[in-house]
Amino acid sequence: ELKVEQNPLFLSMQEGKNYTIYCNYSTTSDRLYWYRQDPGKSLESLFVLLSNGAVKQEGRLMASLDTKARLSTLHITAAVHDLSATYFCAVDYRGSNYKLTFGKGTLLTVNP
Amino acid sequence: NAGVTQTPKFRILKIGQSMTLQCTQDMNHNYMYWYRQDPGMGLKLIYYSVGAGITDKGEVPNGYNVSRSTTEDFPLRLELAAPSQTSVYFCASSYVGGSYNEQFFGPGTRLTVL
Repeated sequence: ELKVEQNPLFLSMQEGKNYTIYCNYSTTSDRLYWYRQDPGKSLESLFVLLSNGAVKQEGRLMASLDTKARLSTLHITAAVHDLSATYFCAVDYRGSNYKLTFGKGTLLTVNP
Repeated sequence: NAGVTQTPKFRILKIGQSMTLQCTQDMNHNYMYWYRQDPGMGLKLIYYSVGAGITDKGEVPNGYNVSRSTTEDFPLRLELAAPSQTSVYFCASSYVGGSYNEQFFGPGTRLTVL
C-alpha cells in the first residue's frame, strides 16, 4: 500500500521568511503532484513533477522531486500572506491504475 | 469551459435518507473520481471511473454507489445516510493517456447528516 507523508502538518511563518514542506512516499514512482486548497475551497493544481530531478517554479513556490530518495519538496521563498493555504502532495505509480494517493496536507499560515 | 461542476453545494440529510450528488465535466476527460475530505484530513478515494460504463471501488466505497453512463457525468449515490458520511465531497476528472494524471477538481459538496 502506497503511503504519502507530509511534514510538517502545520506551519506558521512570518512574511518574508523561507521554508520547505517535505513529502515522502513509500513506493517507486516518478509522478508527483502538488495541490493548493484555500479554506472552504476546492483543490487547485500547482505542479506536476514527472522525473527524477524535476524542478518547477511559480512565483514564490518551487517544487522538486528526488525519486531515489522518494522525496519531494515545496520551497517557499519570502512568504507573503496570500500563500496561506493547505498544500497537498499526491503520488501515483504505474501499478495504481492512475489513482492518486494524497498526503494529509500542510496547513500554512503566513503572519504579517 | 466550466471545468468540473458539482451540485448541490450544501445539503443537510436526516439519518436514513438518500441522495445523489451530481458531477459533470466538459473537458472530455476519460477518468473521473469521487473523494471525500474530512476535517483536517487529506482526500480519500470513494469510487472512480476509467470511462463510460466502467467504475471501480476506491479506498472507502461502503455506503456509496456510482454509475457512469456518459463521458461527462459521474453521479454519486448515498443510500441510507449515516452521520459518518458527514464530509465534503469532491469530484475530479483527468485525461489519462499513459503519461500522467493531473486531476481537476470541482467546487465540492458539503454534506451534513443529522
